[in-house]
Amino acid sequence: TQLLEQSPQFLSIQEGENLTVYCNSSSVFSSLQWYRQEPGEGPVLLVTVVTGGEVKKLKRLTFQFGDARKDSSLHITAAQPGDTGLYLCAGASGAGSYQLTFGKGTKLSVIP
Amino acid sequence: DAGVIQSPRHEVTEMGQEVTLRCKPISGHNSLFWYRQTMMRGLELLIYFNNNVPIDDSGMPEDRFSAKMPNASFSTLKIQPSEPRDSAVYFCASRVGYAEAFFGQGTRLTVV
Repeated sequence: TQLLEQSPQFLSIQEGENLTVYCNSSSVFSSLQWYRQEPGEGPVLLVTVVTGGEVKKLKRLTFQFGDARKDSSLHITAAQPGDTGLYLCAGASGAGSYQLTFGKGTKLSVIP
Repeated sequence: DAGVIQSPRHEVTEMGQEVTLRCKPISGHNSLFWYRQTMMRGLELLIYFNNNVPIDDSGMPEDRFSAKMPNASFSTLKIQPSEPRDSAVYFCASRVGYAEAFFGQGTRLTVV
């Protein structure tokens, strides 16, 4: 069974601070996705990373896929209250695979 | 497009009762997924349909759970009889091909 461990589980920071959350596994994934989930809503896809070492930027969010394709990180610069939510990573085991293994998520609170 | 529509949004039922959750995928999407989310286990895939055919139901917890997709625009997840440990948020998601999957808002099920 492939497992994805996310850390930290909870994170509370002040507006304007920077933060990094991590997604780690002992398994290799063909791709990894990051989602944000707001209370009462379903997860929404933020980004998909495919190549080992790949870095993608989405405004203030920077996503990195580890060289060995076993881990990933999400860095947020100058966090804003609108960034508050549950951040989930999910790994796919094969190209175009429907089977995603989700981590339990990092719950982020950004305090104004 | 209205997105993936799930009903009901909230369901409270007594142990032993039958529960039916409903999902209308996005028009034109040919893949549909049912997930369950709990604090303890995170997001777990229950069943995956492709072109209305169940492809992988290995995540269905036990015989009390069943899912159907009679046509491309409707799917149900039934629990009979329900138990308190079934309490969770159940999500439906759909996609076309291997593109991004879109999640519904979920059904929060409480079994008392």
